Amino acid sequence: QKEVEQDPGPLSVPEGAIVSLNCTYSNSAFQYFMWYRQYSRKGPELLMYTYSSGNKEDGRFTAQVDKSSKYISLFIRDSQPSDSATYLCAMSAGSSASKIIFGSGTRLSIRP
Amino acid sequence: NAGVTQTPKFRVLKTGQSMTLLCAQDMNHEYMYWYRQDPGMGLRLIHYSVGEGTTAKGEVPDGYNVSRLKKQNFLLGLESAAPSQTSVYFCASSDLGDDTEAFFGQGTRLTVV
Repeated sequence: QKEVEQDPGPLSVPEGAIVSLNCTYSNSAFQYFMWYRQYSRKGPELLMYTYSSGNKEDGRFTAQVDKSSKYISLFIRDSQPSDSATYLCAMSAGSSASKIIFGSGTRLSIRP
Repeated sequence: NAGVTQTPKFRVLKTGQSMTLLCAQDMNHEYMYWYRQDPGMGLRLIHYSVGEGTTAKGEVPDGYNVSRLKKQNFLLGLESAAPSQTSVYFCASSDLGDDTEAFFGQGTRLTVV
C-alpha cells in the first residue's frame, strides 16, 4: 500500500465550477500537508501549506486536513481555465530526516 | 533570483551510457532531493541529502548514485543507463526545520534508447 493515495483523474469541469481534489494517507506521523500545482512541462510549485488538522484559505483555494480520517482536500472556487494543471498532494512528518512524500497527482482541466 | 537550476534540460542516451545530472540551488538550503516523475506514478524519491557530505536512499534508488560535495550542488549519476530510466527528473531543495516547503527545478527530460 502506498503511503499517499491520490486519484489520477483526469478531471474535467466547466469554468466557474467548484473543484474538489483529495488524498488519503496511511502514515499517522505526517504533520505537514501541502498541495503543489504543476503546469505542463514545468516543475511543481507550492500552492497551499497546512500544519496538522484544520482549514486554510487563500483566495479561491481552500485546503482541509482531517487527521482523524487521514484525508486531505483542496477546493478551488470559481475555477478558471488557468487552473488547468496537475495537482499533487504532499506530506511530511517534519522530523530531522524528513522527506516529502507525494501523491501521484490529479490532472485537472477547466473547460471555458 | 535563480532558485533551483537543473542541467541539462534534455538528454538522449544510448543503453549502457553514463551521465550526470547537475542540480544547483542558491537559497542556502540544507535538504536536497532527486525525484523521477513517470506517467501515473507521480513523483518518486530517488535519493536525498540532509546536508553537505550526506546522502540517503529514497524509494527508487537502484541504478542511481548521488553526491553532495558542496552544499549548493546535488549530483545524480547514472552509471549504465537503461530504457527503464527514461523519465523526467526533478531536483528540489528545502530548508532545515519543520517548514518543509520544497522548491523545484524545471526538470530534465531523459530518454534512454
